[in-house]
Amino acid sequence: DTAVSQTPKYLVTQMGNDKSIKCEQNLGHDTMYWYKQDSKKFLKIMFSYNNKELIINETVPNRFSPKSPDKAHLNLHINSLELGDSAVYFCASSPLTGDLEKLFFGSGTQLSVL
Amino acid sequence: DAKTTQPPSMDCAEGRAANLPCNHSTISGNEYVYWYRQIHSQGPQYIIHGLKNNETNEMASLIITEDRKSSTLILPHATLRDTAVYYCIVRRYSSASKIIFGSGTRLSIRP
Repeated sequence: DTAVSQTPKYLVTQMGNDKSIKCEQNLGHDTMYWYKQDSKKFLKIMFSYNNKELIINETVPNRFSPKSPDKAHLNLHINSLELGDSAVYFCASSPLTGDLEKLFFGSGTQLSVL
Repeated sequence: DAKTTQPPSMDCAEGRAANLPCNHSTISGNEYVYWYRQIHSQGPQYIIHGLKNNETNEMASLIITEDRKSSTLILPHATLRDTAVYYCIVRRYSSASKIIFGSGTRLSIRP
């Protein structure tokens, strides 16, 4: 059973489109995150949710809107996609906010904007 | 959180010990050293963490210098499956602040 699963694994789309990435965790964790990994492999946090409430928003354009219907799901919706949005997006979860010892990542979604 | 410095790449022969260094000269007294790795096409995976004592688990050993300004992750018997990017992160335990992974060390294991 996959602990943190995200779909799709690959996403190729045109500039200006709107797309969503879904994430689900079956670990019973209270906190979920979205990370962006750029071409230089830096992994930066975008959002963090604790029990469906936003706790970290790292100056991400408001074209990116996370939605947490329940604490096991954190989806990422992106409006008006731009070339610079091309990256690998990782979902993650942990029992407590900032719990690095028990931070579990999904396998990533490679987004390519053409 | 303290900044870390790691070599961009290293290589090691299969079966030998891989020693990955990390400098964190501005580490504070309440900050831990964490190590993660990212195998190609996968998300990062937790390896080990420590405060000031050396630590060992089933995956690796962590050696932290007495002044805590640097540390070394040791993979005792490297295998081809250990080929990955290894990240050293320094932060307070369960801190609610943002977690940033730097560029890490790309470790290549030679057959």
